[in-house]
Amino acid sequence: QKEVEQDPGPLSVPEGAIVSLNCTYSNSAFQYFMWYRQYSRKGPELLMYTYSSGNKEDGRFTAQVDKSSKYISLFIRDSQPSDSATYLCAMGEGQGFSFIFGKGTRLLVKP
Amino acid sequence: GAVVSQHPSRVICKSGTSVKIECRSLDFQATTMFWYRQFPKQSLMLMATSNEGSKATYEQGVEKDKFLINHASLTLSTLTVASAHPEDSSFYICSAGQGNNEQFFGPGTRLTVL
Repeated sequence: QKEVEQDPGPLSVPEGAIVSLNCTYSNSAFQYFMWYRQYSRKGPELLMYTYSSGNKEDGRFTAQVDKSSKYISLFIRDSQPSDSATYLCAMGEGQGFSFIFGKGTRLLVKP
Repeated sequence: GAVVSQHPSRVICKSGTSVKIECRSLDFQATTMFWYRQFPKQSLMLMATSNEGSKATYEQGVEKDKFLINHASLTLSTLTVASAHPEDSSFYICSAGQGNNEQFFGPGTRLTVL
């Protein structure tokens, strides 16, 4: 079993839809959870950063962490065509900084 | 958020050439910088972790004599691909850590070795 599993998609939704992106993981020691957005041929951009379990909201983005289920989610409300990108989840154990990335989910928001 | 730059953004070179990629944290001091490689439609694979003033820590399977990392200051790390070959063609991305466990990524360098 891979440490981090993420459906590669593509996930195609109409503009305005609520998008749900997910990752599962196997290492119960992970404490830090991140979501990155990566446009084609660009470096990843940090969207959300969460420590331990719970929810975090920032504008149209909500990150959820369920450590008991080893499952994290990113919700995008009122999705826009400009949200079309690859979304990567990443997680790590702690101050060692070494993160494990999911393969990324490609999202297409159609106008 | 913090800004990380990379230079060059794209390089095309002949096989056997050495290529240097620079990674700079522009508005913060990064005690730790990371180098990743990303092949098409694949996730980021950590190559090495670089701490200022000390030798880099390489991930298993990454040749330290081929991928030379120098972290000379708190704002600059360089990756040199020695004697590059076509199989080294990839997207190389650096990131810089800010001490609170966040990483900020550079825009990446696309290396094509002919």
